[in-house]
Amino acid sequence: GAVVSQHPSRVICKSGTSVKIECRSLDFQATTMFWYRQFPKKSLMLMATSNEGSKATYEQGVEKDKFLINHASLTLSTLTVTSAHPEDSSFYICSVPMGFTSSGRSEQYFGPGTRLTVT
Amino acid sequence: GENVEQHPSTLSVQEGDSAVIKCTYSDSASNYFPWYKQELGKRPQLIIDIRSNVGEKKDQRIAVTLNKTAKHFSLHITETQPEDSAVYFCAASTGNQGGKLIFGQGTELSVKP
Repeated sequence: GAVVSQHPSRVICKSGTSVKIECRSLDFQATTMFWYRQFPKKSLMLMATSNEGSKATYEQGVEKDKFLINHASLTLSTLTVTSAHPEDSSFYICSVPMGFTSSGRSEQYFGPGTRLTVT
Repeated sequence: GENVEQHPSTLSVQEGDSAVIKCTYSDSASNYFPWYKQELGKRPQLIIDIRSNVGEKKDQRIAVTLNKTAKHFSLHITETQPEDSAVYFCAASTGNQGGKLIFGQGTELSVKP
């Protein structure tokens, strides 16, 4: 199956700085990627849909100026947390949808996640 | 938009017993319902899925049922084993917007040996 990587796996930054997280689809060209945020022992909250060649689509309540998404190519999407604050500390995971197969299966492959800690 | 509710939030069973996790969804246009398993510190992994034109699907010890009229679907794990211990998430998708998934809150399953 497709492999999705994320970099970095862990990052610690100071309040007020910006952090960029990369999501790469290693063997599948993805016109769409998804970004999720996950708090400890909580669900995956969809933040936005990253669209190659157009602006990202943000879910309600997610600040687009805070969480900048750039779908740089068919294999790379980046999430930049701008002016980070401690409340932005979380686990950020991207996923790449494979589209629907003839059997109706639509698997999304998730990246390994990035643990962000803002001090 | 879509809203997915999942219950229970925690579930503890004895090894060999069955476990059932239930989800409801709000958007009648949803037509694809996957279940993911996430072990601590790892990425979610798809374990089974079902489309809206099917009422039940089984894969060895795992089965999923769907009641489209009532807008609920369930995960059934039989003969549970300690390695089944993990957090399980249900999700729903309309297939639109790139196939985005809306997840339930998750169920932490603990299988005691």
